[in-house]
Amino acid sequence: GDSVTQMEGPVTLSEEAFLTINCTYTATGYPSLFWYVQYPGEGLQLLLKATKADDKGSNKGFEATYRKETTSFHLEKGSVQVSDSAVYFCALPRLGGGADGLTFGKGTHLIIQP
Amino acid sequence: DGGITQSPKYLFRKEGQNVTLSCEQNLNHDAMYWYRQDPGQGLRLIYYSQIVNDFQKGDIAEGYSVSREKKESFPLTVTSAQKNPTAFYLCATKATGPNEKLFFGSGTQLSVL
Repeated sequence: GDSVTQMEGPVTLSEEAFLTINCTYTATGYPSLFWYVQYPGEGLQLLLKATKADDKGSNKGFEATYRKETTSFHLEKGSVQVSDSAVYFCALPRLGGGADGLTFGKGTHLIIQP
Repeated sequence: DGGITQSPKYLFRKEGQNVTLSCEQNLNHDAMYWYRQDPGQGLRLIYYSQIVNDFQKGDIAEGYSVSREKKESFPLTVTSAQKNPTAFYLCATKATGPNEKLFFGSGTQLSVL
């Protein structure tokens, strides 16, 4: 079935550092791709998404580009803040248009030190 | 205030006991989902429902049961057959249509006494 693979954490960076969290996917066709963020003790929130190849999703200074050539959707941010500390999940629809939910990667725990 | 309400936030289960986790939404979404989150394993789908009075098993349905009698509600029962129930349980909803995002509740932490 369709799946995503994320880099394992924790990833520890200093404030204002450049961030990359790798995500690659295996899928039939070209599904929509998502990044979700989870702050401690909370549910997940959509961070950004891209619905077709070469699309760039962006939000709150984070960006990810849908690369079909490399089947990747890496998350980047130019200058991280302590408030970005959270767990980040890459995801894609389980099947088809996603009516039966999303498949998530295992999550990457990001720790930003002041 | 629109959203998804999960209750309780913390729940403890005794050996051999069934417990029910509540999920209520006022977003008017047709589809609802239950995920289980374990440290280092990401989220795994337990059950989902695309419409009232209908639901399907996800990837790890054994030891769980659900009902969908109302559009707003999708309770999850963790039965005594689930031998390792300790986890963080997340309820989500989705609007109709392709490529729509999931909205998540704030979760219930279930622990075994």
